[in-house]
Amino acid sequence: EAQVTQNPRYLITVTGKKLTVTCSQNMNHEYMSWYRQDPGLGLRQIYYSMNVEVTDKGDVPEGYKVSRKEKRNFPLILESPSPNQTSLYFCASSFGDPAFSYEQYFGPGTRLTVT
Amino acid sequence: GQQLNQSPQSMFIQEGEDVSMNCTSSSIFNTWLWYKQDPGEGPVLLIALYKAGELTSNGRLTAQFGITRKDSFLNISASIPSDVGIYFCAGQLHAGNMLTFGGGTRLMVKP
Repeated sequence: EAQVTQNPRYLITVTGKKLTVTCSQNMNHEYMSWYRQDPGLGLRQIYYSMNVEVTDKGDVPEGYKVSRKEKRNFPLILESPSPNQTSLYFCASSFGDPAFSYEQYFGPGTRLTVT
Repeated sequence: GQQLNQSPQSMFIQEGEDVSMNCTSSSIFNTWLWYKQDPGEGPVLLIALYKAGELTSNGRLTAQFGITRKDSFLNISASIPSDVGIYFCAGQLHAGNMLTFGGGTRLMVKP
């Protein structure tokens, strides 16, 4: 089954404790991205990656890091989480070639609480 | 970054009614997308629009890509309880580019 998986689905942590949220897709997509969703603000892009070893900042990259060492994985790293990073996070992937579908497939989400 | 204004923010309607929501942008997009998000799930694509003026249907859903490329609307006809959720518009310049989302329209349907 074609899917985007994220782990963990729920995480409660404390300020300053480094964490990683993993994202993996099995559709051989070039393009992957991370979003955060906050009430009334919709989804805002944090980082995106056009392909392996190619990453770029989205709208709200501060406080986050990413890496793309393999095509299927795109982990989101919070080196020193703060309470304002409490949010619902989504990973998404799509083909990067306009000859294919533009559709982005979203993971199930990770709800992060930083106390 | 670019801003997408989506309205209304929420709607509470009776089952069977038609629904209309729209998005406007301060700059142009080459693709408009409409997503639906159910509680506890990620957004799922409903309709994709690739050409200015394009009108596309998917069952009871109809969406249009505005001719200025700065707006789009989504209509749902004869709403049913399972239409409940949050609907998002999104604009994209090119495949693989950033996707800019509207703030969402929360739809509630009374049986």
